[in-house]
Amino acid sequence: AQTVTQSQPEMSVQEAETVTLSCTYDTSESDYYLFWYKQPPSRQMILVIRQEAYKQQNATENRFSVNFQKAAKSFSLKISDSQLGDAAMYFCAYRSASGNTPLVFGKGTRLSVIA
Amino acid sequence: NAGVTQTPKFQVLKTGQSMTLQCAQDMNHEYMSWYRQDPGMGLRLIHYSVGAGITDQGEVPNGYNVSRSTTEDFPLRLLSAAPSQTSVYFCASKSRRLAGYEQYFGPGTRLTVT
Repeated sequence: AQTVTQSQPEMSVQEAETVTLSCTYDTSESDYYLFWYKQPPSRQMILVIRQEAYKQQNATENRFSVNFQKAAKSFSLKISDSQLGDAAMYFCAYRSASGNTPLVFGKGTRLSVIA
Repeated sequence: NAGVTQTPKFQVLKTGQSMTLQCAQDMNHEYMSWYRQDPGMGLRLIHYSVGAGITDQGEVPNGYNVSRSTTEDFPLRLLSAAPSQTSVYFCASKSRRLAGYEQYFGPGTRLTVT
């Protein structure tokens, strides 16, 4: 079974600075998808960014980018120019590309942004 | 589109009581799932469904039942609530077409069992 590990339960960053959240995963599959979800205090789960394993190019969405290292099974999230609204729980998630398999989540990283 | 809706938003139960958490989506998504979120545990899958009439167990199915009689609805039943079921519950749906498609989440139900 696939597992997702987020080794940083809590992180903090100064406003306008850059922070990187770590995620590693374990799988024997070669084709899969990786996601980062944001959960602000409202509890709503919001998709931040998605990476297809077959693409070597790292995904980018505005201030959010990933460092995808397939051989190392690593998928870190970089937030540039951090804003107060970035404060939230961040979850890394994995889904196999074969069939309709569920999302597997890590335990999350709580990010605080300091003004 | 309303997206994924969940009712109720909050619920307090006594041990042994039963209840149903409702989940509905209006996006014609075949795939629906239920997760529970506990502090320090992330989101853990309870049950999921790949279409009407088809359900399967996830990581933590004990104490919960589901059925899927329509594409739109996927209720989660607690037959005899226990304090260990105190949690936040999320329903989610996605199109079955591609595994990489976004999964949409409902707003969650906070359940307390006393």
